[in-house]
Amino acid sequence: IAGITQAPTSQILAAGRRMTLRCTQDMRHNAMYWYRQDLGLGLRLIHYSNTAGTTGKGEVPDGYSVSRANTDDFPLTLASAVPSQTSVYFCASSPTGEVTEAFFGQGTRLTVV
Amino acid sequence: GQNIDQPTEMTATEGAIVQINCTYQTSGFNGLFWYQQHAGEAPTFLSYNVLDGLEEKGRFSSFLSRSKGYSYLLLKELQMKDSASYLCAVRDSNYQLIWGAGTKLIIKP
Repeated sequence: IAGITQAPTSQILAAGRRMTLRCTQDMRHNAMYWYRQDLGLGLRLIHYSNTAGTTGKGEVPDGYSVSRANTDDFPLTLASAVPSQTSVYFCASSPTGEVTEAFFGQGTRLTVV
Repeated sequence: GQNIDQPTEMTATEGAIVQINCTYQTSGFNGLFWYQQHAGEAPTFLSYNVLDGLEEKGRFSSFLSRSKGYSYLLLKELQMKDSASYLCAVRDSNYQLIWGAGTKLIIKP
């Protein structure tokens, strides 16, 4: 693994199903973030974690949950997917919570039908 | 509310110069970032400004005026590979990044 890796790359999901998007980084960064990117809108922060064991809500947290059991992993869970959660999801990390340069994963394209 | 404005799309010619503007209104300011995003790919870091003035990095330069809530990204000697979206982001008083919708830059031969 080099950098930050997301899985899956893409997914088609039935509405109402539960889904976890995985994110792993090997840079030992303290801070990690989940964004969604929709056409015509800027990246919107869903949840963040400034250090292992802590998480916080971003701009659009409803319908999503996260955990940060260790430094490397930051999974994003959709408890019961809805079509409005169709989006491209990016995981990112930065050395500290005081955001310096953020490094992004390759993204997960999720379609909820 | 917090707001980042940048043009939706711009077109320029290979070898020319283009300036992409960004204006912002945020609760506090702790730096401004420019990222490049090729279609279907992740954003990648280009530049960071926290003080007024021009930061130059090769063919790319970024300018900041905090009093005007304004920044621009200047791309010189445009190449076809510069066709991408350019994202402006401001770090607010809570140290969170607020993102613009991005400017899609189309380079023509």
